[in-house]
Amino acid sequence: DAMVIQNPRYQVTQFGKPVTLSCSQTLNHNVMYWYQQKSSQAPKLLFHYYDKDFNNEADTPDNFQSRRPNTSFCFLDIRSPGLGDAAMYLCATSGTTGTGQETQYFGPGTRLLVL
Amino acid sequence: QKEVEQNSGPLSVPEGAIASLNCTYSDRVSQSFFWYRQYSGKSPELIMSIYSNGDKEDGRFTAQLNKASQYVSLLIRDSQPSDSATYLCAVNSGSYNTDKLIFGTGTRLQVFP
Repeated sequence: DAMVIQNPRYQVTQFGKPVTLSCSQTLNHNVMYWYQQKSSQAPKLLFHYYDKDFNNEADTPDNFQSRRPNTSFCFLDIRSPGLGDAAMYLCATSGTTGTGQETQYFGPGTRLLVL
Repeated sequence: QKEVEQNSGPLSVPEGAIASLNCTYSDRVSQSFFWYRQYSGKSPELIMSIYSNGDKEDGRFTAQLNKASQYVSLLIRDSQPSDSATYLCAVNSGSYNTDKLIFGTGTRLQVFP
């Protein structure tokens, strides 16, 4: 019973060609996150949504954009992928009670290759 | 800059031994602490969460938290080859109303038969 679903699982794109990664969840969680993870590195938070409230990390490049049309879906748009953007992109969700104790649940990830 | 530090390893232990994974964090107001297991090429999977000082046990896993020392650890008893993975320590950033986690770079565990 998949709870956080990411599509596609593997994405190959060309340098500079826009690409969109998608994430959906069946948990009805109000917080959704996008992380970038490169080999042997920690997941790096790009941005997150608290409901429709968008929160961008200060060091997230402008090349990365996101949309959340409804509670279940969230998209990551990379406008002009560079070779350095090749990575695993992880979507995660959490409910929140404002206590900071909510667990984040990760989807399976999308591995992006830029040629 | 809030940080979470882990020894990158690899930590090699024989099958059946206890594996001890350690993590320190810099933000004193952090209240929630998580251990995730990540197999190569896969996404992180939650193993344990801990919020109070002391020990929390779940099967072969025990999480230990010492807020005064800003230290959290994960013990894996009776280690199995299937436990071989990277273990990520994650700490809640303390932000009100959103639950942001700060991850360590992970410790790679190798369990050999």
